[in-house]
Amino acid sequence: DTGVSQDPRHKITKRGQNVTFRCDPISEHNRLYWYRQTLGQGPEFLTYFQNEAQLEKSRLLSDRFSAERPKGSFSTLEIQRTEQGDSAMYLCASSLGWGPNTGELFFGEGSRLTVL
Amino acid sequence: AQSVTQLGSHVSVSEGALVLLRCNYSSSVPPYLFWYVQYPNQGLQLLLKYTSAATLVKGINGFEAEFKKSETSFHLTKPSAHMSDAAEYFCAVSFNFGNEKLTFGTGTRLTIIP
Repeated sequence: DTGVSQDPRHKITKRGQNVTFRCDPISEHNRLYWYRQTLGQGPEFLTYFQNEAQLEKSRLLSDRFSAERPKGSFSTLEIQRTEQGDSAMYLCASSLGWGPNTGELFFGEGSRLTVL
Repeated sequence: AQSVTQLGSHVSVSEGALVLLRCNYSSSVPPYLFWYVQYPNQGLQLLLKYTSAATLVKGINGFEAEFKKSETSFHLTKPSAHMSDAAEYFCAVSFNFGNEKLTFGTGTRLTIIP
């Protein structure tokens, strides 16, 4: 299967700890997105990359959050000093990013974070 | 700010009955509209999208949606529900066709009654 993969699928951590999530997009996709989804809500945009460049960050992304996409391939999302309010499903998605395929996101299954 | 409202967080229909999932958007400029579906234990996938071409859009698995500017709506329909349609459905909007920064609704969980 060559879809979007995320790791780990589940992470339980104590408040104040740092966590890192990894996303491997579909190989030919040059855009990579991070969204966050809490219970009963739809996904909320966090940030996106075009190749290795981070082009936009949401105001939801506080300074405790950092995302990288070195070499324009996989991406990591790190949360420092986690808080209980960070508990959510973190979704990664990728896209071809041009032409008739614009708007079509391919999502991974998500990484569920629980902060105790 | 752009937003979408999905009426009904849960919808139940009998197998073979019409499926109607409602989505209304708020916008002062023409939006781009999407429906995504999330099956249990799977990632979200695109059902269909409206990008200012035909107002009636056909998607995968027999679903379609009609863009009605006068009603600011983009409701999702399927003439005959199948058990495999049970999933959560999300309407989303974008005002920039240059990227996939989408604003999603809160979702509608569709249950199919045998």
